[in-house]
Amino acid sequence: EVQLVESGGGLVQPGRSLRLSCEASGFTFDDYVMHWVRQAPGKGLEWVSSISWNSDYIGYADSVRGRFTISRDNTKNSLYLQMNSLRAEDTALFYCAKGDRSVPMGYIDLWGRGTLVSVSS
Amino acid sequence: QSALTQPRSVSGSPGQSVIISCTGTSSDVGGYNYVSWYQQHPGKAPKLMIYDVSKRPSGVPNRFSGSKSGNTASLAISGLQAEDEADYYCFSYAGSYAMSFGGGTKVTVL
Repeated sequence: EVQLVESGGGLVQPGRSLRLSCEASGFTFDDYVMHWVRQAPGKGLEWVSSISWNSDYIGYADSVRGRFTISRDNTKNSLYLQMNSLRAEDTALFYCAKGDRSVPMGYIDLWGRGTLVSVSS
Repeated sequence: QSALTQPRSVSGSPGQSVIISCTGTSSDVGGYNYVSWYQQHPGKAPKLMIYDVSKRPSGVPNRFSGSKSGNTASLAISGLQAEDEADYYCFSYAGSYAMSFGGGTKVTVL
C-alpha cells in the first residue's frame, strides 16, 4: 500500500526541540522530492520545507528557516524534520507529503495523516 | 515568500458554477506552470484536484477545471454538488526551491 506515516509529534515547551519522522512505503522513495506541510488549528495549509531525492536541493519557508532542518534517509525510506527553538505559533498538524518529481517543484500527490505538534508551557 | 491570495469564501447553489481565484506574482504563479489545487474536507488530508495549472488526475470529475492568466490562476467547479463543499487551496512553485500555498477558500453549497 502506498502510504506515508508520520510520528514524533507531541506537547513541547517553547524554546525546546522536537524531531518528526515520516516513513514511506509502497513507492520508490528515493525517486521523489518530499515535503513537510503544516496546518495550525482552524487555519490554512502552510508549506514548511522540501528536500530533493538526493538531498542536494532544499527549501524552507521564511517562518522556519534557521530553526528547522529537513533531512532524509533513503536507505530507511524515511523523512525527518528537526525543529529547534519552537514557538507557540509552530503549533500545528504537520503533514509529510510526496512530490511528483525528484526536485522541489511541481505538485504533491500523496499526503500522510499528519502528526500534531503543540507548543505550550 | 508570501501566501498566494484567495477569496475567503465562495458559494453557489447545486448545479451552478463557482470560480476560485489564486493571485500571486511573476515570481510564483506567473513565472511557472506549476500551479496545483487541493480539496480538503474537515478532519481529512488534502486531495489533489488539479496539477500543472489545468491537468486533472484520474478519478477527479471533469466538473473541476483549472486555468491561468498572468499572475492569477483559477479553479472552476461546474455543476456544483453537495460533496464539493470543502476548503480549496492553490499551491505554486515560487523559485529557489520554495513553494507557497494560498490562504484557502471555503466553498459553500447553498
